[in-house]
Amino acid sequence: KNQVEQSPQSLIILEGKNCTLQCNYTVSPFSNLRWYKQDTGRGPVSLTIMTFSENTKSNGRYTATLDADTKQSSLHITASQLSDSASYICVVSAQTTDKLIFGTGTRLQVFP
Amino acid sequence: GAGVSQSPSNKVTEKGKDVELRCDPISGHTALYWYRQSLGQGLEFLIYFQGNSAPDKSGLPSDRFSAERTGGSVSTLTIQRTQQEDSAVYLCASSFGLYTGELFFGEGSRLTVL
Repeated sequence: KNQVEQSPQSLIILEGKNCTLQCNYTVSPFSNLRWYKQDTGRGPVSLTIMTFSENTKSNGRYTATLDADTKQSSLHITASQLSDSASYICVVSAQTTDKLIFGTGTRLQVFP
Repeated sequence: GAGVSQSPSNKVTEKGKDVELRCDPISGHTALYWYRQSLGQGLEFLIYFQGNSAPDKSGLPSDRFSAERTGGSVSTLTIQRTQQEDSAVYLCASSFGLYTGELFFGEGSRLTVL
C-alpha cells in the first residue's frame, strides 16, 4: 500500500535554531517527492519538488534531501524564523497512479 | 488571476442543506484538483479534472458529492444534504498538466455543518 509517514508529528524550537523533518514513504514505483508548507488557515505552498535523480534541493533556508534507495526524505530548516511556524507536508507521487499521496504533516512551532 | 481563487472562504450551513464551493484556477492550468482537509488531518483526495473531464471519481466520499468543470476553467464542488461529518476545509489546486510541476493551492473553503 502506498503510504507516506512523517516524523515528528510536532516540533517546538527556538528562533535561530536549525531543525530537520523526516519523511518515509512506501510509494512505488516512485515518481517525485514534494515538500509543502501550510500556514494555519492557508493553502499549502510548494517548497521543493524532487525526482528520482535528485539528492538535494534547496529553497532559501530550506534544504530537502532524498534517498530513493531507502525511500527517505528530510527537510532541513536553517536559522529558523518565527514565520517558519507552520505544518510541513511531504507528498509523493507514483508513476502508476494519478494520485498524490500526502503525509499528515509535521507541525513546527518556532518560539522567540 | 494571479492565483487559485476559492469561494466562499467560509460557509456555515445547517445539516441537510446543499452547498456549492467554487474554484477558479490559474489561467492556462489544465489540471484542477479538489482535496478535503479535516481538522488536524492530512489532505484527502476527492477528484481531479484534466480539462473538463474527471476520469476518476472514486475519491468522492459519497454520492452526495459531485463536481463539474466547465470551459476548462472554473470548477464547482457540490455537496447535497450536508452532514456534520462533511465539516472540513475544501482545498482546490491547479497545475499546467496533470501532476506536472507545481500544484498551486487556493486558500480553501471552510465548511461548517451545524
